[in-house]
Amino acid sequence: EVQLVESGGGLVKPGGSLRLSCAASGFTFSNAWMSWVRQAPGKGLEWVGRIKSKTDGGTTDYAAPVKGRFTISRDDSKNTLYLQMNSLKTEDTAVYYCTTESGSPDAFDIWGQGTMVTVSS
Amino acid sequence: QSVLTQPPSASGTPGQRVTISCSGSSSNIGSNTVNWYQQLPGTAPKLLIYSNNQRPSGVPDRFSGSKSGTSASLAISGLQSEDEADYYCAAWDDSLNAFYVFGTGTKVTVL
Repeated sequence: EVQLVESGGGLVKPGGSLRLSCAASGFTFSNAWMSWVRQAPGKGLEWVGRIKSKTDGGTTDYAAPVKGRFTISRDDSKNTLYLQMNSLKTEDTAVYYCTTESGSPDAFDIWGQGTMVTVSS
Repeated sequence: QSVLTQPPSASGTPGQRVTISCSGSSSNIGSNTVNWYQQLPGTAPKLLIYSNNQRPSGVPDRFSGSKSGTSASLAISGLQSEDEADYYCAAWDDSLNAFYVFGTGTKVTVL
């Protein structure tokens, strides 16, 4: 079964750090371009960033609001994606989903269940 | 902030046809394919339409997508109660620092 399972969410103070993980199974993780998408409470979806497969360079791209504060990485030996979040702001409060494209080109057809991050003093 | 504009809400009675619009620009919809996602309350988004008008396996043919220029639309024919959800259009964007952009979202209510 194709599956993505996020973990690591929680409550953190403004200015703090948190690392999210996303465990993948059921597909060839090392070949996948992985993305993070977030959704603030009651708001819409926002793409956070992505990491390409190592075969395609392993480079990362980030949305403007998180660039310089968030870092996406991957451990293909563990089939796991990471999101390191530093200098957190209250506006980073959201459910964070990891996602990837499998059989549908340029679209996200595999999603995790999400993990909640709350930034509050 | 979303760069794809959708109406905040749409509604219909069971069996009716509902259409949701999505307006973008030359850097996103105008030059890339459009995807649509359905998000039921309290759940992760689900891919509904990809490449403008393709349905993933398992998506009923009541859902259809189209694109023209810098706009796209999603149609739900034969509306059912289980279609009550939020719907988002999305596309890759070629402008600097934009990458993947989602629409503002449309809440569909089945009356």
